[in-house]
Amino acid sequence: DQQVKQNSPSLSVQEGRISILNCDYTNSMFDYFLWYKKYPAEGPTFLISISSIKDKNEDGRFTVFLNKSAKHLSLHIVPSQPGDSAVYFCAASVKASYDKVIFGPGTSLSVIP
Amino acid sequence: EAQVTQNPRYLITVTGKKLTVTCSQNMNHEYMSWYRQDPGLGLRQIYYSMNVEVTDKGDVPEGYKVSRKEKRNFPLILESPSPNQTSLYFCASRRSWDTSYEQYFGPGTRLTVT
Repeated sequence: DQQVKQNSPSLSVQEGRISILNCDYTNSMFDYFLWYKKYPAEGPTFLISISSIKDKNEDGRFTVFLNKSAKHLSLHIVPSQPGDSAVYFCAASVKASYDKVIFGPGTSLSVIP
Repeated sequence: EAQVTQNPRYLITVTGKKLTVTCSQNMNHEYMSWYRQDPGLGLRQIYYSMNVEVTDKGDVPEGYKVSRKEKRNFPLILESPSPNQTSLYFCASRRSWDTSYEQYFGPGTRLTVT
C-alpha cells in the first residue's frame, strides 16, 4: 500500500500558465515533505520542502501548499516554462527521525511552448 | 563540484552473473542509500547506510548486498541477478541521518538482466 500517492501520472500545461501537481499521503506521522525534480537520464534533484508547522513555502516560481487535515500537498509552478518539463516526485518523512523518506510514483509534467 | 557518481551508467547482463554498481560521493556525507525506480512505483529504497560499517535494509532488499567500508563509497552488489532486477538504480547521499536534509542523487544506472 503506497503511503505517498501522486494520482496524476502526467500533466500538460501551456507555457506561462500555472502548473499544479498534487500529492496525497496516508501516514499521519509524516511531518516533513519534499519535492524532487527529475530530467531524463539524470538523477532527481531537490526542489523545495515544507515542514508540517507551515502551510505554505515559496521559492521563486515554486510554491508548496500543505493541508494537514486532508493529508494533501500541492506544488504550484507559476509561470510554467518549457524547462520545467520533467518528472516531479513528492516525498514524505518524519522529521529528524531515523525513518526513511517515502517517495510517490511521480508526475510527468510537460510544458508546451 | 559536489556530486554523486555511479558506474556503470548502463549495463546489460545475464541471469546469475554477479555484478557490482559503484557509488561515490565527495561531500563527506554520512548517509547513503540505494533506490530503484520502476514505472508506477516511484523510488523504492533498497539499502541504506548511516555511516561507515553501518548498513540496513530498506523496503526491497532481496537479492542485493551493500558494503560501506569508506565514507565516500557505497557499492551495490547483485550476487545472482534475475530479470525482476531489471530497473533504473539511483545512489543518493545526505548530510546526516536527519530526513529533513535533502538527498543528492547520482545520475542513475540502467540495468537489464536477460
